[in-house]
Amino acid sequence: QKEVEQNSGPLSVPEGAIASLNCTYSDRGSQSFFWYRQYSGKSPELIMSIYSNGDKEDGRFTAQLNKASQYVSLLIRDSQPSDSATYLCAAHKAAGNKLTFGGGTRVLVKP
Amino acid sequence: NAGVTQTPKFQVLKTGQSMTLQCAQDMNHNSMYWYRQDPGMGLRLIYYSASEGTTDKGEVPNGYNVSRLNKREFSLRLESAAPSQTSVYFCASSGGGPTDTQYFGPGTRLTVL
Repeated sequence: QKEVEQNSGPLSVPEGAIASLNCTYSDRGSQSFFWYRQYSGKSPELIMSIYSNGDKEDGRFTAQLNKASQYVSLLIRDSQPSDSATYLCAAHKAAGNKLTFGGGTRVLVKP
Repeated sequence: NAGVTQTPKFQVLKTGQSMTLQCAQDMNHNSMYWYRQDPGMGLRLIYYSASEGTTDKGEVPNGYNVSRLNKREFSLRLESAAPSQTSVYFCASSGGGPTDTQYFGPGTRLTVL
């Protein structure tokens, strides 16, 4: 079992709809979680980070964390074609102070 | 303020050749990381340096060596390249704390023939 798991997709959503991305993690010691966006041929860039149970909103993005269920999600509201990218979920491991990444979910927003 | 820079951007090697990938950051970060990314595999940690003077193995260290030259620079060396090392390599840096963002360089696309 991978430490951080994501559905590889592609997740196809119509423009203006909500895209819902899920991520599960196995290390209960993980305390911090990060969502990165990666366009094809480019490097990952941070979208959101979340550390506490509940929701965190930033513009059209909402991150949700449930530590009891070991589950992190990302919602993209009013999806735009420019949101088409691969989204990487990462969990911070206290041991070694490093991130473990999931395999990424590819999102396609269709006009 | 360039952030994280990597050289070269592209490289083609023959099996058995050696090379060094260079990485530098100008954000005064304590921690630096080397990842490789293969299709469908996400990012896998090769080596990291939590602070100047320290280096540790990550998930896939075999066939690689690293040097934390100073606080700014962290290099990755392939002593005898193999086709299995064909990948995209990313360097990243962060403040080192659990809530600190990792910032990534533009990547090096390496092909080993």
